[in-house]
Amino acid sequence: AQKITQTQPGMFVQEKEAVTLDCTYDTSDQSYGLFWYKQPSSGEMIFLIYQGSYDEQNATEGRYSLNFQKARKSANLVISASQLGDSAMYFCAMRGFYGNNRLAFGKGNQVVVIP
Amino acid sequence: DAGVTQSPTHLIKTRGQQVTLRCSPISGHKSVSWYQQVLGQGPQFIFQYYEKEERGRGNFPDRFSARQFPNYSSELNVNALLLGDSALYLCASSFMARDSYEQYFGPGTRLTVT
Repeated sequence: AQKITQTQPGMFVQEKEAVTLDCTYDTSDQSYGLFWYKQPSSGEMIFLIYQGSYDEQNATEGRYSLNFQKARKSANLVISASQLGDSAMYFCAMRGFYGNNRLAFGKGNQVVVIP
Repeated sequence: DAGVTQSPTHLIKTRGQQVTLRCSPISGHKSVSWYQQVLGQGPQFIFQYYEKEERGRGNFPDRFSARQFPNYSSELNVNALLLGDSALYLCASSFMARDSYEQYFGPGTRLTVT
């Protein structure tokens, strides 16, 4: 079974600063994928970034980067140069080796960007 | 291109009633997954369908069922609604049946059971 842990309390970050969101996972699968999603108050889950378990380089997508530490089972999201529009819930998710696309999500991290 | 669409956006039902939620995937995507997100929690996987066949089922009672149509759109049905079924129901689409590195979600249907 897959388990995702996100334990940080709500975070306040100054506009233009960087913020790191912690995510640890537990799995016995050798092959898996890690995702980060953003969920603003409107409710839609917005895909941000993906990291495969065999990818040797950390994934980056614009201002988003994923700090993947496989031995520690850690997949932290770094948002650089925070913007007011980054205020949202952020979810870490894992896709295991089920033969399907099933995602297991963490409980999320609340981020509020202040001007 | 249009993203994943879901209907209706909001729904209010009474305990014991039945509800049908609809999802249209991104054009070209053949896989649709359904998730339930209770307030304050992350989404929980309910079903995945690919080419009209069920590819995965989460830990939900038999009151939950789904199907996929030839045009790859999907319906989620919930019978005998309980207060605990109140949640945001999200649909996600992807091109591949498995090991997908991209899954895109729709805006969700917010179901309230009274």
